[in-house]
Amino acid sequence: GENVEQHPSTLSVQEGDSAVIKCTYSDSASNYFPWYKQELGKRPQLIIDIRSNVGEKKDQRIAVTLNKTAKHFSLHITETQPEDSAVYFCAAAGGSYIPTFGRGTSLIVHP
Amino acid sequence: GAGVSQSPSNKVTEKGKDVELRCDPISGHTALYWYRQSLGQGLEFLIYFQGNSAPDKSGLPSDRFSAERTGGSVSTLTIQRTQQEDSAVYLCASSVSYLGNTIYFGEGSWLTVV
Repeated sequence: GENVEQHPSTLSVQEGDSAVIKCTYSDSASNYFPWYKQELGKRPQLIIDIRSNVGEKKDQRIAVTLNKTAKHFSLHITETQPEDSAVYFCAAAGGSYIPTFGRGTSLIVHP
Repeated sequence: GAGVSQSPSNKVTEKGKDVELRCDPISGHTALYWYRQSLGQGLEFLIYFQGNSAPDKSGLPSDRFSAERTGGSVSTLTIQRTQQEDSAVYLCASSVSYLGNTIYFGEGSWLTVV
């Protein structure tokens, strides 16, 4: 089955800096890669996603890149703000019935 | 409905009791997933349904856990003879189908076994 590795587990940045979270996957049949943000005590919410026929996607301060050959994808947040502090999960789906999630990255943005 | 709805939102139960957690997916979503999230941990897959069928039950932690879905809509996760290690947030999610579509999460059911 699919295996998703996510790094780092914790990321601490100063407000205004950029943050990068990286994930790798194992199943070359996976074709859909969503990213979720989970604030404390809340549900995970989709913030951006990318499909395997696209190499990069951007939405304001958030961007995701995908390298199918290397089987890795990354989340980039620019000009971080304190409200970006949360746990971020990557996932890979489509190759099997079950979306497989990474273990999460706790992002802390210091004012 | 507008989103995935779960009940109860919070449940405190005594060790050894049975609990039922309910999930009402987004209308028209055929795929439904249950995940478990322990405090500060990631998302542990439990089971998924395509329609009323559960092709993969391999994520259920033990035979005390079971789930069903009726009418291709509401799903119930049942935990029998609860143990303290069952304490966690149980998240339900749904998607249009299982083939690489966005999944939407409910708010979760916070279960505490005392």
